[in-house]
Amino acid sequence: KQEVTQIPAALSVPEGENLVLNCSFTDSAIYNLQWFRQDPGKGLTSLLLIQSSQREQTSGRLNASLDKSSGRSTLYIAASQPGDSATYLCAVSLRGNQGGKLIFGQGTELSVKP
Amino acid sequence: EPEVTQTPSHQVTQMGQEVILRCVPISNHLYFYWYRQILGQKVEFLVSFYNNEISEKSEIFDDQFSVERPDGSNFTLKIRSTKLEDSAMYFCASTAGYYEQYFGPGTRLTVT
Repeated sequence: KQEVTQIPAALSVPEGENLVLNCSFTDSAIYNLQWFRQDPGKGLTSLLLIQSSQREQTSGRLNASLDKSSGRSTLYIAASQPGDSATYLCAVSLRGNQGGKLIFGQGTELSVKP
Repeated sequence: EPEVTQTPSHQVTQMGQEVILRCVPISNHLYFYWYRQILGQKVEFLVSFYNNEISEKSEIFDDQFSVERPDGSNFTLKIRSTKLEDSAMYFCASTAGYYEQYFGPGTRLTVT
């Protein structure tokens, strides 16, 4: 059974710092991995999608990497800003399952202090 | 930019009542989902829907739950007889298949 874990559960950093959020999954047979942002009481905003054949994806100040063999992904946020404060979720979709369900981690709550 | 919409944003109901949560997925998407998030817990998969039928459902999705795509645009989740433990944020999502899933803003369901 696929399990997704995110470490740390919470992170507080000063503005301007670069930071890394971690995501691990137990079964390497994934179809893709998606990172989301969730603001308190709100929906999930898709940040980046990495297909299983890819090693990384970049969008602006965000860079996500994927190491399928070790069951890990990282989300790198450069030059953090207070507006980046939110909970960041990673989720995996299983191999051979186009349109398959997402299995989520519990999230990392990020606070960026001015 | 196309987006998934959900109504209502907040629904309060009494235990034992039926509720219908509504979603309008992105128009050219083929796969539709319901997830839920109990306060402080992980987002959990409930059901996926493709080609007008359920393609997968979780253990949570028992006989009290049903989904429907009544008119080619709306996608609904019905809970026949709500329980206190059904209180959660319910998210609808859709995808074209190969790409990311797009989530709606959610419906907060409160069962009293």
